[in-house]
Parts: sequence; C-alpha cells; structure tokens
Amino acid sequence: EPEVTQTPSHQVTQMGQEVILRCVPISNHLYFYWYRQILGQKVEFLVSFYNNEISEKSEIFDDQFSVERPDGSNFTLKIRSTKLEDSAMYFCASSGDDNEKLFFGSGTQLSVL
Amino acid sequence: GNSVTQMEGPVTLSEEAFLTINCTYTATGYPSLFWYVQYPGEGLQLLLKATKADDKGSNKGFEATYRKETTSFHLEKGSVQVSDSAVYFCALSLNSGYSTLTFGKGTMLLVSP
Repeated sequence: EPEVTQTPSHQVTQMGQEVILRCVPISNHLYFYWYRQILGQKVEFLVSFYNNEISEKSEIFDDQFSVERPDGSNFTLKIRSTKLEDSAMYFCASSGDDNEKLFFGSGTQLSVL
Repeated sequence: GNSVTQMEGPVTLSEEAFLTINCTYTATGYPSLFWYVQYPGEGLQLLLKATKADDKGSNKGFEATYRKETTSFHLEKGSVQVSDSAVYFCALSLNSGYSTLTFGKGTMLLVSP
C-alpha cells in the first residue's frame, strides 16, 4: 500500500536555528497537511495546502512557519527560527479524491535545545 | 470552538477482553467523526469513520456509532488481540473542504496475552 514518507525521523536543533522537515506524500494525492503533537497534548492542525497554495492555517502557523512543494513529489515544512516550544512530533499527511481520508506519515520528532 | 475529549489512558486489557474507549465532541456544525490508530513506529491510520447521526463505522472488528444526542463516538471491540495494542485517536472534521481534523489527545491501549 502506498504510504507517506517523512524524513528525518528525529531532528535535534539549537534554539534559533532553521529546520526543514521533509515529506513525500502519496503520488496522486492533491491535498497536503502538517499536524503536530507536543508531548502529552493533542494532535494539532498546522496547515493545509492545495493547488500550490495554503488553503487553511491555524493560529500556531505564524510567520516563523512556511510550507513549500518544491517539486512534484516533496512537501516541506520550514521553521525559520526554532523555539523551545516548537519541540514536538510533526506529522505530514495527504489525501486524494476522498478528502476525508488522510494518510499520515510516521512523523518527525523535533527536539529544540 | 470545536474539540474532542477522549478517556485518559493507558487502557490495559487481557486478550479477548471487551474494549470501550470513550470519545465526546463539541462542534459548531455537523461534523464527520473518525477514529485513527497509530501502531508503534508508524503514522496515524484511519480506522473507521461516520459522517452523520446514527451512522455506524466499522473496521477490523472495531465499531463506533455517531450519537448526536450525546455528542459521542465511542470505540468498541468485542474481543481485543495483542496486535491491537496502539494509540487510538478520536477526531472530527467540519468538512471545510480541506478536511481539517480536530483530534483528541489519544488513548493508549495495551493488550497482554
């Protein structure tokens, strides 16, 4: 079965540094998402992306965050200047025609020191 | 706002025991309801869903019924297996067109032989 792939599985960075989290969605999917889960808290929506632009974003997704689909296969989340509170598991997801069925990657655990 | 509340885990059961994981929701409209499951080391996978009141979603022996009167979507399974050990997430979507999911915190299920 096709799957969403995320790299790296773990990322450690210093506060203030830029990080890029990478995702390869399922190839024929059209909708792309980032969610995150801070340890012990709920999985939170960050942003959705369709037709090469952001379609919806949450309050968490401030100017420090950006997303990009640089080519036909990758979907990236950039955090420009990381803060301690950005430490979380970040999940990428994609969906196709059945827009209610999201396929999630296994996540990138980001640790900001 | 929209929110999902799940029972706290971990839920610890012996194999073949009956499982209930409670989920209640608050939503400003008429949501679709979902259960996602995350097995160790993997991404979240859609387990089942229901899109309107009184619908029953089912998959792999799991069931959940959309109860509008009690705003609930409790997950049940008649006889759990060790392989069901995972984290279970209840979620809702208000069909904004981009399938933004609002998740609960997740409930860890541990099944022992």
